[in-house]
Amino acid sequence: SQTIHQWPATLVQPVGSPLSLECTVEGTSNPNLYWYRQAAGRGLQLLFYSVGIGQISSEVPQNLSASRPQDRQFILSSKKLLLSDSGFYLCAWSGATRPGFFGQGTRLTVV
Amino acid sequence: GENVEQHPSTLSVQEGDSAVIKCTYSDSASNYFPWYKQELGKRPQLIIDIRSNVGEKKDQRIAVTLNKTAKHFSLHITETQPEDSAVYFCAAPLTDSWGKLQFGAGTQVVVTP
Repeated sequence: SQTIHQWPATLVQPVGSPLSLECTVEGTSNPNLYWYRQAAGRGLQLLFYSVGIGQISSEVPQNLSASRPQDRQFILSSKKLLLSDSGFYLCAWSGATRPGFFGQGTRLTVV
Repeated sequence: GENVEQHPSTLSVQEGDSAVIKCTYSDSASNYFPWYKQELGKRPQLIIDIRSNVGEKKDQRIAVTLNKTAKHFSLHITETQPEDSAVYFCAAPLTDSWGKLQFGAGTQVVVTP
């Protein structure tokens, strides 16, 4: 069966520091992968999605970037974090018949 | 693109009563509508979904109805229990990609004993 791993679970970073969040999927090949962000008390917003290695689409302009160096690996990065980057970051993958299987999430607090 | 609106934002019900959450969507081509439950501090979990070729789907105490003409779909929870307390999100896929979801703003459901 397919599983999705995301780490770290929590992260506290100072303003201006870099960020790297990693997500990997097991049990499937060539998945579509997504990064969502959830601000405190809000809904989920799609940030990036990828249909294959090196293929990244950005949904909203922001301080973040994404990369897909391997088929089942998706990375969210920032060179310099802003306070507004705080939130709950969720990686997700979609299968052939159903979208939206989420990883455990990373709670990022920028201080 | 797709726009999903969800109401109400909060819902308080007595244990044993029913809860109903409603969502509307804008893109008439949308054909899949999932519902997620998110407990505090955890990831959203898919609880039920419906495709556009059916009008209703039921799974134990949870049911979803879809009205394609009116472009709205609803989540119904019967015989609510305290463990049903959570935030519920509806969603619809952006039609250019199956897995890109547009979420509603969420409904905080509180079930009081």
